[in-house]
Amino acid sequence: NAGVTQTPKFQVLKTGQSMTLQCAQDMNHEYMSWYRQDPGMGLRLIHYSVGAGITDQGEVPNGYNVSRSTTEDFPLRLLSAAPSQTSVYFCASRALSSGNTIYFGEGSWLTVV
Amino acid sequence: DAKTTQPPSMDCAEGRAANLPCNHSTISGNEYVYWYRQIHSQGPQYIIHGLKNNETNEMASLIITEDRKSSTLILPHATLRDTAVYYCIVRRITQGGSEKLVFGKGTKLTVNP
Repeated sequence: NAGVTQTPKFQVLKTGQSMTLQCAQDMNHEYMSWYRQDPGMGLRLIHYSVGAGITDQGEVPNGYNVSRSTTEDFPLRLLSAAPSQTSVYFCASRALSSGNTIYFGEGSWLTVV
Repeated sequence: DAKTTQPPSMDCAEGRAANLPCNHSTISGNEYVYWYRQIHSQGPQYIIHGLKNNETNEMASLIITEDRKSSTLILPHATLRDTAVYYCIVRRITQGGSEKLVFGKGTKLTVNP
């Protein structure tokens, strides 16, 4: 049981490039989400999903796309990277039943130059 | 949104109890209160959560006021390893039945020797 796994851990992109941050969980959790964390701030929700085929926007969705084709995977796509997207990204998952523990990945450090 | 308010920083002596307050005055009846902590830039680590009743586990105790508008996380015997940013989070259920985690800015707890 690996929990929530994020790849890559570190990435440097040039402005305008695209890339995908991968997130996988092996706990059969219905709920998955992506957050970004900027220096000195709490986590802000980008997108989330309550099951395969279902996604929704969070607080800061602009510039990001997601899809949920399987229960296990929830990739986050940056279509055209901008310096403002330099941040640490965290993926999280939990079972959808009320009150269940939310598990976070270890983070992906993204720098856009 | 049921937002949370926490003091930006607190200090605690090693071996003493650390009491971290959180205000969530707009919380709704079915929204859970979660506490997480983050050490350096690691992924957030689950501590405890509750709905109405006080909760205790091997890491901490959670005291929720009767009106549910505030809560306190108690680390009974703080150690240097408990130095971290502590986040009080309200799990909000949207009108569509989906959910979001609403993060505050957290409290930077420093445990001093």
